[in-house]
Amino acid sequence: NAGVTQTPKFQVLKTGQSMTLQCAQDMNHEYMSWYRQDPGMGLRLIHYSVGAGITDQGEVPNGYNVSRSTTEDFPLRLLSAAPSQTSVYFCASSYSQGAYNEAFFGQGTRLTVV
Amino acid sequence: AQSVTQLGSHVSVSEGALVLLRCNYSSSVPPYLFWYVQYPNQGLQLLLKYTTGATLVKGINGFEAEFKKSETSFHLTKPSAHMSDAAEYFCAVSDQGGADGLTFGKGTHLIIQP
Repeated sequence: NAGVTQTPKFQVLKTGQSMTLQCAQDMNHEYMSWYRQDPGMGLRLIHYSVGAGITDQGEVPNGYNVSRSTTEDFPLRLLSAAPSQTSVYFCASSYSQGAYNEAFFGQGTRLTVV
Repeated sequence: AQSVTQLGSHVSVSEGALVLLRCNYSSSVPPYLFWYVQYPNQGLQLLLKYTTGATLVKGINGFEAEFKKSETSFHLTKPSAHMSDAAEYFCAVSDQGGADGLTFGKGTHLIIQP
């Protein structure tokens, strides 16, 4: 059971380039989300999804797009990379509301924008 | 809006000593509360969670936390620190059990002195 898989693990982009961070889960979880982690800031929510076809913005959505065409996948798109988007990105999934609401995290993607 | 405050960005304890990591939250409704641990270059792993019911919650690796509604606190403790406990610890809150994503504190780096 792979859990939450993020690719790539590391990426260097030039300012203005676009790219997609991939996230896939094999636990049939309804809920998925993207966070960015910056030193001294904790994790901040970028976008989340409560099911296929349904997404919403989190705390820091500017510069990022998401879509959820399947239950398994939740890619994060950087439209035009900026140095301020240098960060570690984590994808997470969870089963549902109520008792089974533990979020499972991927290993992260370390992104550097130069 | 929810918020989480973790007192102390760094906490240092001696091996064998009590570990106490503080977390205070603000939420307009009874919250779901979580503690996560992050080891270097890893994703986040759930230590424990409070949903409803018993206010003293036991987690993995000998950690526990007590939910105190009157103090809006959810402090994490471990009676005897081990070198392997050195990591970053995050407190998180959700109003909807995680469906709308988690709000994290800024984290506390736990240092274990030999």
